Amino acid sequence: DAKTTQPNSMESNEEEPVHLPCNHSTISGTDYIHWYRQLPSQGPEYVIHGLTSNVNNRMASLAIAEDRKSSTLILHRATLRDAAVYYCILRDPGNQFYFGTGTSLTVIP
Amino acid sequence: DGGITQSPKYLFRKEGQNVTLSCEQNLNHDAMYWYRQDPGQGLRLIYYSQIVNDFQKGDIAEGYSVSREKKESFPLTVTSAQKNPTAFYLCASSLNYRGTTEAFFGQGTRLTVV
Repeated sequence: DAKTTQPNSMESNEEEPVHLPCNHSTISGTDYIHWYRQLPSQGPEYVIHGLTSNVNNRMASLAIAEDRKSSTLILHRATLRDAAVYYCILRDPGNQFYFGTGTSLTVIP
Repeated sequence: DGGITQSPKYLFRKEGQNVTLSCEQNLNHDAMYWYRQDPGQGLRLIYYSQIVNDFQKGDIAEGYSVSREKKESFPLTVTSAQKNPTAFYLCASSLNYRGTTEAFFGQGTRLTVV
């Protein structure tokens, strides 16, 4: 299973955009890039996923580098409810969801 | 409401006892997963099942057992062989095992050995 590397923690001011980076230099051509977030004492929640092109949904945007070796989750306006641990995961068909330790996002009022 | 349900939310077990954690989904998903999470850590895969009557070991299967007799149910048994079972256990499901499908998680069961 391919690995991802994320910063342990990040901070953002409320109402400002947040860019959460993820490196995945060993990604293969069939790996999808998934993002999940987890609030304390809850199960992770799906945020977004993509393969090659940038993706947008109501929660966030996913920017994927042209060589696919890195990606960035973008929260356009951080709110206090966005404070969570964010996980970047590579998912290959037939492979499983392998979670690392993620990035703990703190939102400052 | 469609979703994935874990029960109970909190569970206490005496040392040496087996205990079974329930996981049920009504999403008609083929694939189901069990994870363990320790304080301040990420999720580690215990077992997964891509289809009914089939399951495979994950990274930390020792001391655990599962069954998948029905599509909607994937119970996890924590046996007395598990050396340090106190943890937060999460169950998840996905439509299938393809890379494009996302996972849906339950709210977890917190197991404490007393």
